[in-house]
Amino acid sequence: AQSVSQHNHHVILSEAASLELGCNYSYGGTVNLFWYVQYPGQHLQLLLKYFSGDPLVKGIKGFEAEFIKSKFSFNLRKPSVQWSDTAEYFCAVTLNTGNQFYFGTGTSLTVIP
Amino acid sequence: KAGVTQTPRYLIKTRGQQVTLSCSPISGHRSVSWYQQTPGQGLQFLFEYFSETQRNKGNFPGRFSGRQFSNSRSEMNVSTLELGDSALYLCASSAGTGGGNSPLHFGNGTRLTVT
Repeated sequence: AQSVSQHNHHVILSEAASLELGCNYSYGGTVNLFWYVQYPGQHLQLLLKYFSGDPLVKGIKGFEAEFIKSKFSFNLRKPSVQWSDTAEYFCAVTLNTGNQFYFGTGTSLTVIP
Repeated sequence: KAGVTQTPRYLIKTRGQQVTLSCSPISGHRSVSWYQQTPGQGLQFLFEYFSETQRNKGNFPGRFSGRQFSNSRSEMNVSTLELGDSALYLCASSAGTGGGNSPLHFGNGTRLTVT
C-alpha cells in the first residue's frame, strides 16, 4: 500500500524564521504531489501542487515545495513565516493510475509572534 | 462558484445509533470523496464516488457506506455507531475523471460526537 510520511508532527517557530516541512512517499512510479493547509476553524485548502516539469513549485502565500524524485520527497518551504501561517499542513500523493489521494498525518505549525 | 457544502456541521449521537451525512459538491464536479479526520491519524480515506459508482474504497468496516446521486450529491452513512467513530468527516469534490491530477476541494466537515 502507498504511504505518505510527515516526520515533523508539531513545529514551533518564531515569526520571520524559515520553515521546512518534510514529506516522503513510498510509491516508485509516477506521482502527483500536493500540499494542503488547514487554518484553525477552516476547511482544507490547496497550497500547491506538482504534476510534472520544474520540480520547484510555488504556491500561495509565499510557500514553495521541491520534488526530489531520487529521495521520494516533496518538502514544503517558506523563507519567513508569519503568525498567520499557524495551521496544520498535510502532504498528499496521488498515482497517475487513479484518483485516490493518500495523505500524511499532518504537521501542526505554531508561529509565535 | 459555491464551494463544497456539508450538512450538518455538528452531530451528537449515542452508541448503537446510525447517522447520515450529506455533501453537495462544487457544481460540475462528478467525483466525491469522503475522509475521516482524527487527531494524530490525519485523513483516512473512506471511499470515492464518480458518476454514482463507488470507484475506490478505504479500509473501513462495512458499517461505513455511501452513495452518490445523479446530481453528484453524496451521502455517507454509519450504522451501529461506536465511540471510536467520533471524528471530523470531510467531503471533497474533484473535477477529475481519473489520473489523479485534479485537486480535491474540501467542505468544512461534519463533526460527529458519539457518546
